[in-house]
Amino acid sequence: AQSVTQPDIHITVSEGASLELRCNYSYGATPYLFWYVQSPGQGLQLLLKYFSGDTLVQGIKGFEAEFKRSQSSFNLRKPSVHWSDAAEYFCAVGGATNKLIFGTGTLLAVQP
Amino acid sequence: SAVISQKPSRDICQRGTSLTIQCQVDSQVTMMFWYRQQPGQSLTLIATANQGSEATYESGFVIDKFPISRPNLTFSTLTVSNMSPEDSSIYLCSASPGTGGRVDTQYFGPGTRLTVL
Repeated sequence: AQSVTQPDIHITVSEGASLELRCNYSYGATPYLFWYVQSPGQGLQLLLKYFSGDTLVQGIKGFEAEFKRSQSSFNLRKPSVHWSDAAEYFCAVGGATNKLIFGTGTLLAVQP
Repeated sequence: SAVISQKPSRDICQRGTSLTIQCQVDSQVTMMFWYRQQPGQSLTLIATANQGSEATYESGFVIDKFPISRPNLTFSTLTVSNMSPEDSSIYLCSASPGTGGRVDTQYFGPGTRLTVL
């Protein structure tokens, strides 16, 4: 079955610290992977995506993610977190049908 | 990319009534999608709406409950019919330039927060 797992429901980091949000997927075909961010009361904003090519992808707001096929993972990273990064982060996988399967999300809190 | 707006942004409705949510895209797109995000939950796809064809519903969602229109390449509506408190959710519209034969990025609207009393 196709699925996305985000093992961490809630993460708290200090401002300026590094961040890694985990995402594992199960998908029968070639996966196309996305990270979205949702601020309170807002819709989803695309952070980055992986379709093919270089497995390390750069996104907006200083985020990056690495696709590791052997581990079925697409973890999101940021070297230094800002208070404005506090939000909920969703990993999603899609395919040729263009339908997205979302993970349950990780809520990020940033301590001053 | 595509910029998407939704109306209304929020509403409080009575049980048994219906609400129609509008989704407008700033450019022509092939595929539009409707998602539901229940409180504290992730997003679940309700249906895919392509212009000129009937919407395709996911398992657990039916046309009588969630009728969808797609009159042109920039607009879609979702109606939540005969509402109950269980329908209280955020409803999000997304759009993709993709044709369905290849993957493409989905861009999301701000969502409609629905509360049913």
